[in-house]
Amino acid sequence: GDSVTQMEGPVTLSEEAFLTINCTYTATGYPSLFWYVQYPGEGLQLLLKATKADDKGSNKGFEATYRKETTSFHLEKGSVQVSDSAVYFCALRYGGATNKLIFGTGTLLAVQP
Amino acid sequence: NAGVTQTPKFRILKIGQSMTLQCTQDMNHNYMYWYRQDPGMGLKLIYYSVGAGITDKGEVPNGYNVSRSTTEDFPLRLELAAPSQTSVYFCASSYYSAGEELFFGSGTQLSVL
Repeated sequence: GDSVTQMEGPVTLSEEAFLTINCTYTATGYPSLFWYVQYPGEGLQLLLKATKADDKGSNKGFEATYRKETTSFHLEKGSVQVSDSAVYFCALRYGGATNKLIFGTGTLLAVQP
Repeated sequence: NAGVTQTPKFRILKIGQSMTLQCTQDMNHNYMYWYRQDPGMGLKLIYYSVGAGITDKGEVPNGYNVSRSTTEDFPLRLELAAPSQTSVYFCASSYYSAGEELFFGSGTQLSVL
């Protein structure tokens, strides 16, 4: 069945460092791909999405490119801030029109000043 | 707009007790979902609904029941609570179109002792 694998955390970075969080997927066809972010004590929020191969999603300085050939959707940011500390979830949409999502296990990012 | 509202935020149950987790949204979304989040396991879909009067099982429905009598409300019922149901529960909603963003509530932390 469909699945999402993302890198284990926690990831600890200093402020202004470069961030990469790896995400790969297994799916039939070409699902839409998402990154959601969960700040402490809150629910998940959509960070960015891509709906077809070679699409690049971007938001708040974060980017991810839908790579069909490597079945990947890695999250990157050039310069992280303390306020980026959160748990990041990669997800894919399955189930046709019902908008159901499969989530990865989440990666905790801790940014130190 | 309040978005997606979940109550209660925290609850401790004894084994065998029952309770209902409440979820309401004011965005007139057709689709609603219940997920549970276990440490290191990501989010798993419990039940979902594509409109009032229509519900269906997700990946992990055992031990839970739902109803959807109105567009706004999607309560989750736990019957005969078990320690395995200790988790954080998130309700989410989205518009009917495939690929639309899911909006999450802030979660209910449930412990069954």
